[in-house]
Amino acid sequence: EAGVTQSPTHLIKTRGQQATLRCSPISGHTSVYWYQQALGLGLQFLLWYDEGEERNRGNFPPRFSGRQFPNYSSELNVNALELEDSALYLCASSLSPSTDTQYFGPGTRLTVL
Amino acid sequence: DAKTTQPPSMDCAEGRAANLPCNHSTISGNEYVYWYRQIHSQGPQYIIHGLKNNETNEMASLIITEDRKSSTLILPHATLRDTAVYYCIVRVAISNFGNEKLTFGTGTRLTIIP
Repeated sequence: EAGVTQSPTHLIKTRGQQATLRCSPISGHTSVYWYQQALGLGLQFLLWYDEGEERNRGNFPPRFSGRQFPNYSSELNVNALELEDSALYLCASSLSPSTDTQYFGPGTRLTVL
Repeated sequence: DAKTTQPPSMDCAEGRAANLPCNHSTISGNEYVYWYRQIHSQGPQYIIHGLKNNETNEMASLIITEDRKSSTLILPHATLRDTAVYYCIVRVAISNFGNEKLTFGTGTRLTIIP
């Protein structure tokens, strides 16, 4: 069974640009979660999508947004990139919301220059 | 979610059992204990979880004390590939919007010594 996949593996952008990160959940999983892990820091919850809807978001500005497609894959968009947005962005999926085990993808390393 | 306390680092000799402790003294009756690990710059890997009883799978064993205030993750025969940061997380076991996010602490950096 294929795990959670993310693309691209690495992404380099400059300040002010926009970044788009993609995630494909495990087959059959409907919930997708996004986390940010800045260098030397812990994972911070960003967004949760289920059945195509944004269900909850963490303490991040509105320039962090995303969506979930009918096939349950998801996209994270970061607008007006700032240097401090440089981080590992992790996507996780679960079979159903809230209580099922979350399985993580390998992450996308975003570097903002 | 309840907070957890873990030692910042531990060493273990290759081939020996690695025992990683976690304190969760404020855990509620409806909260699971989850363990994940993260190898450098990779996504966290799910290891095991439990509510009250001890659990075992192909990766590890989870021992939860009777009062549920602490637990121990056991890697029975540690290998060099087990070197990673191990996170202990508590999470409610009932569906309730708002508790879906995982709250990662600083974890325990486990180093397996050849």
